[in-house]
Amino acid sequence: DVKVTQSSRYLVKRTGEKVFLECVQDMDHENMFWYRQDPGLGLRLIYFSYDVKMKEKGDIPEGYSVSREKKERFSLILESASTNQTSMYLCASRHRPGATVSEQYFGPGTRLTVT
Amino acid sequence: GDSVTQMEGPVTLSEEAFLTINCTYTATGYPSLFWYVQYPGEGLQLLLKATKADDKGSNKGFEATYRKETTSFHLEKGSVQVSDSAVYFCALSETQGGSEKLVFGKGTKLTVNP
Repeated sequence: DVKVTQSSRYLVKRTGEKVFLECVQDMDHENMFWYRQDPGLGLRLIYFSYDVKMKEKGDIPEGYSVSREKKERFSLILESASTNQTSMYLCASRHRPGATVSEQYFGPGTRLTVT
Repeated sequence: GDSVTQMEGPVTLSEEAFLTINCTYTATGYPSLFWYVQYPGEGLQLLLKATKADDKGSNKGFEATYRKETTSFHLEKGSVQVSDSAVYFCALSETQGGSEKLVFGKGTKLTVNP
């Protein structure tokens, strides 16, 4: 069965802390994604990764960085957390599409609160 | 860039009512279209998809038809159940510089009452 897991369901951090959100997939997928979900704004793409050690900025990369040292793991890093980064963070993965479009599989989300 | 507009919620229906959630898109090419569903406390999961014009995606009693002439992909279900209560997201696939990304609408929260 397809599985994307995220390290924490709920996280509370202080302003200025460095925060690591971890995502692991067991499907040998090439592509991985980080989104944030906010009420009234839907899902917005922060960063994505085509494959190991590759990364691309999404629509809202400011204040975030990512790391993908192994195929199954994609980490989102908040270098210095701020209150406007309080949000739900969703990780997703996908097999690299060839001729057909393939779906993204999502983890359960991490609700981060920065105080 | 490409964008997706879906009807704002929340939508509240009684069990067995007919459901329509409108979704329209703007795109420079011919994207694939998706509906994702998010049940309370969970991540998103794919509900249905359509990859070309006039395709109909269907799953769990839900249907949506890719209409190129109206740039729409409306979600419908003939008889909703309490278990359909969730947030529904319309999305399209956008290809830029060889990479493929999803662009999501803002989501529509559906509540079905017994």
